[in-house]
Amino acid sequence: QKEVEQNSGPLSVPEGAIASLNCTYSDRVSQSFFWYRQYSGKSPELIMSIYSNGDKEDGRFTAQLNKASQYVSLLIRDSQPSDSATYLCAYSRGAQKLVFGQGTRLTINP
Amino acid sequence: GAGVSQSPSNKVTEKGKDVELRCDPISGHTALYWYRQSLGQGLEFLIYFQGNSAPDKSGLPSDRFSAERTGGSVSTLTIQRTQQEDSAVYLCASSLATLTDTQYFGPGTRLTVL
Repeated sequence: QKEVEQNSGPLSVPEGAIASLNCTYSDRVSQSFFWYRQYSGKSPELIMSIYSNGDKEDGRFTAQLNKASQYVSLLIRDSQPSDSATYLCAYSRGAQKLVFGQGTRLTINP
Repeated sequence: GAGVSQSPSNKVTEKGKDVELRCDPISGHTALYWYRQSLGQGLEFLIYFQGNSAPDKSGLPSDRFSAERTGGSVSTLTIQRTQQEDSAVYLCASSLATLTDTQYFGPGTRLTVL
């Protein structure tokens, strides 16, 4: 079992709709979770971090964490073509390592 | 202010040669990270520095890989006797203090081993 599982996609969503990205992880003691966005040929950039169960909202982005189910998701409301990118889920293992999933490629169709 | 810089941006080398990749973090950032990203893959964590110290080197793929950081600033990732499977983009990131602070990534070094 991979430490972080993400659907590689591609996930196609019409413009204006809600894009839902999902991630499951195997480490039960993880405390910190992150979503990164990576445009093609570019470096990743952090878009959301979440540390406690529940929802965390930032503009059009909402991260949802369920530690009991070892599940974290990212919702993008009112999807825009500029949201088309690969989204990487990650968690911190202890204080010294980040573990990343392989990423989900998202395409927003105008 | 200046972001994370990496050099060279591209490196083509022959199998068996040694290469050095450089990372210059954001000024004032005490934490520095090295990652590797192979084509179409996620990020593979290699090593993390807090100041000049690397608490955990277990992410380095083999003993051909080493990294150092001096003066709490510039870091060098060295790959000895390169192999074709070392071909990847090597990304460096820095954060203010800890692993859970926002990491800012450099543009990466694309390494091709022929």
